[in-house]
Amino acid sequence: QKEVEQNSGPLSVPEGAIASLNCTYSDRGSQSFFWYRQYSGKSPELIMSIYSNGDKEDGRFTAQLNKASQYVSLLIRDSQPSDSATYLCAATGRDNYGQNFVFGPGTRLSVLP
Amino acid sequence: GAGVSQSPSNKVTEKGKDVELRCDPISGHTALYWYRQSLGQGLEFLIYFQGNSAPDKSGLPSDRFSAERTGGSVSTLTIQRTQQEDSAVYLCASSLRGGTAYEQFFGPGTRLTVL
Repeated sequence: QKEVEQNSGPLSVPEGAIASLNCTYSDRGSQSFFWYRQYSGKSPELIMSIYSNGDKEDGRFTAQLNKASQYVSLLIRDSQPSDSATYLCAATGRDNYGQNFVFGPGTRLSVLP
Repeated sequence: GAGVSQSPSNKVTEKGKDVELRCDPISGHTALYWYRQSLGQGLEFLIYFQGNSAPDKSGLPSDRFSAERTGGSVSTLTIQRTQQEDSAVYLCASSLRGGTAYEQFFGPGTRLTVL
């Protein structure tokens, strides 16, 4: 059973701080990784995708991937109250079946003004 | 461009009735996914379409659930003889292609309430 794990939170950070969200996955063959943001009552919105080891930066967001440790993280710099949401990590496996796109349970982030 | 659309946005039905939920994917996206999200819970995979065929139906919770996709575009998820435990938000997502490298984009969801 392929699994993606995340701390459920809530993770509380003060405004302007760096928020660090972590995710581990069980399938060593996972190839692609995605971070989604989900505001309460809304659908998930894609923030970042990462496919190779290392860091990928997009504005205030940095995704980090370490396949050897089966670990993905998302850093949010200069956190804003509008970043308060649930962040979902997703990992995909080696074949093309839909169930290989596995979502974690999400981490709830609260940015305090 | 237009994103994934779903209708209705809200559906209230009585236990035992059948419901149909519709998803219109992003134009040109060949892969389409249905998920279910109960209140405060994570995403539960239901079914995946590549074109009009469904290579993975393993997430459908019972034989009361079925889905089809026609013309490689619009998909309909049908729930027969609805039960109260079917109450959830049903999310549809599409991606350019099936497979592991393609990002999924979600529609706004249909909130189903079974009384």
